[in-house]
Amino acid sequence: DAKTTQPPSMDCAEGRAANLPCNHSTISGNEYVYWYRQIHSQGPQYIIHGLKNNETNEMASLIITEDRKSSTLILPHATLRDTAVYYCIVRVYGTASKLTFGTGTRLQVTL
Amino acid sequence: SAVISQKPSRDICQRGTSLTIQCQVDSQVTMMFWYRQQPGQSLTLIATANQGSEATYESGFVIDKFPISRPNLTFSTLTVSNLSPEDSSIYLCSVEAALANEQFFGPGTRLTVL
Repeated sequence: DAKTTQPPSMDCAEGRAANLPCNHSTISGNEYVYWYRQIHSQGPQYIIHGLKNNETNEMASLIITEDRKSSTLILPHATLRDTAVYYCIVRVYGTASKLTFGTGTRLQVTL
Repeated sequence: SAVISQKPSRDICQRGTSLTIQCQVDSQVTMMFWYRQQPGQSLTLIATANQGSEATYESGFVIDKFPISRPNLTFSTLTVSNLSPEDSSIYLCSVEAALANEQFFGPGTRLTVL
């Protein structure tokens, strides 16, 4: 699986959009970008995944660059409950394979 | 989605003993995974457990230390044997149904070894 690089920490004011970047310059053509988050003392929670088109669900939006070497997870209106560690993971789609977690980005949402 | 429960939620064990962690899922799933999260660290996969076959262990993890059972499609256990303080971690199970492309995680078991 391709390696990902994320900033170790970010701050965001409550109500503002949180934009979390991820670099995955060695991603292969059959690898998808997945985002998970881990709120303190809980198991990781799936957020969203995508291949090359932008994706949106009730939690977030995922913007993938045209060359697929980087992506951005957008939480449109961050709340205090979004404070968590966010993990960007690349994985071959449809293989039920392991998730390789990097160090993630610790997002702190403040008043 | 899948609802996953783990037992125990936390435990404190003495050095040299063993702890068996149970993972129960509310639906039948093909793949179950066991992860370890050491204090302040990210998650590391221990092994993949499929029903009816031997678990597949990642580099650095061995069956004698982390025996796994997968008796059916809704249940698995992980035993952490011959405990040492270095085994103090959160242990998490996750599941993925065939073609689901999402993994769902249990709440974790927090183990402290004295």
